[in-house]
Amino acid sequence: DQQVKQNSPSLSVQEGRISILNCDYTNSMFDYFLWYKKYPAEGPTFLISISSIKDKNEDGRFTVFLNKSAKHLSLHIVPSQPGDSAVYFCAAAFGNEKLTFGTGTRLTIIP
Amino acid sequence: DAGVIQSPRHEVTEMGQEVTLRCKPISGHNSLFWYRQTMMRGLELLIYFNNNVPIDDSGMPEDRFSAKMPNASFSTLKIQPSEPRDSAVYFCASSFQRKAFFGQGTRLTVV
Repeated sequence: DQQVKQNSPSLSVQEGRISILNCDYTNSMFDYFLWYKKYPAEGPTFLISISSIKDKNEDGRFTVFLNKSAKHLSLHIVPSQPGDSAVYFCAAAFGNEKLTFGTGTRLTIIP
Repeated sequence: DAGVIQSPRHEVTEMGQEVTLRCKPISGHNSLFWYRQTMMRGLELLIYFNNNVPIDDSGMPEDRFSAKMPNASFSTLKIQPSEPRDSAVYFCASSFQRKAFFGQGTRLTVV
């Protein structure tokens, strides 16, 4: 049972435009959400997070939005840059340190 | 800090052989995770330790897999006997304040 779902395996975006990556979850107990970025042959690296008491968190070009009623979160990257091409994983946690990850979305930025 | 250190980076073994993957977490982190990355399931949690104690091993595929954490600075994941379907990238991560930090992974190929 996939509790965290990323339904788009891939996404292509023109450089300079906005990239929007989506994630859905089924467990209403999740209270903390994170996005990770992964380059080939490297481990995932932490990008940005949001607590369930908030609906938005911004860090530079990256903004995460949380819609608890829809059990949906999204990551916005604006403007998109070639270095943003990577696989993005969303993750969720409740109560402890255990993170449940989605299957990932491969983002390709087209120059 | 050098980050989470995994060894080996690559492992090729024959079916039926024992494989041991190693991990050194970041000093001061009290949680450690073993994940397996596959195309179908993304980052799949195998086992989670807190303060060196296994908390959740529900993701361990079968009895052929075992993991230990004898002290705060070392963990192993063992597969015995290995099978071709175990071929994947295995990640170790340690966490602090609900943010996980990943090693570079071990790419396991069982032929």
